[in-house]
Amino acid sequence: GNSVTQMEGPVTLSEEAFLTINCTYTATGYPSLFWYVQYPGEGLQLLLKATKADDKGSNKGFEATYRKETTSFHLEKGSVQVSDSAVYFCALITGFQKLVFGTGTRLLVSP
Amino acid sequence: DGGITQSPKYLFRKEGQNVTLSCEQNLNHDAMYWYRQDPGQGLRLIYYSQIVNDFQKGDIAEGYSVSREKKESFPLTVTSAQKNPTAFYLCASSGTGGDSGNYGYTFGSGTRLTVV
Repeated sequence: GNSVTQMEGPVTLSEEAFLTINCTYTATGYPSLFWYVQYPGEGLQLLLKATKADDKGSNKGFEATYRKETTSFHLEKGSVQVSDSAVYFCALITGFQKLVFGTGTRLLVSP
Repeated sequence: DGGITQSPKYLFRKEGQNVTLSCEQNLNHDAMYWYRQDPGQGLRLIYYSQIVNDFQKGDIAEGYSVSREKKESFPLTVTSAQKNPTAFYLCASSGTGGDSGNYGYTFGSGTRLTVV
């Protein structure tokens, strides 16, 4: 079946540091891949997506590239801010299946 | 603007009571979902519905019930049979088929349920 594996958190960084959150997946067929962000006490918001291999999703300075050869969709940001502190979820969907989520990675950014 | 509205934002339940969480969407989405999130944990699927008047159990349906009488609405009832209902509940919706692959799910802002 489909599954998503994310790196364990929390990830603790200082402001302006470089961020990488690893995400790898297992899927049948050709999945679409997503990153969602959850700020404290709120629902999930779609951060970025990629629907086919080699696509790069980007939003608010975050980027992730759909790598079919390594089955990965790592989230990166060149310079994090305190306001980026949140939980980040990697997810995938194939065909008519339901969205499958990773367990989430908490990011803590200090001034 | 289109979106999903969950209400109330905070809900308190006494032991042995049933409570109903509201979820309404104006996105014209066919599919709707309920998730449970415990502190520091990921999302667990409770129920989902892909069409009006039809719904399916997710991974943790015991102690919960739903209805889907209208496309826009998918209320969740937490019954007294749910032994540990204190959690954050999230509702989501999506198009079906290729739409969910292209656009993913849209989430509401959640309801925090506490047993007192």
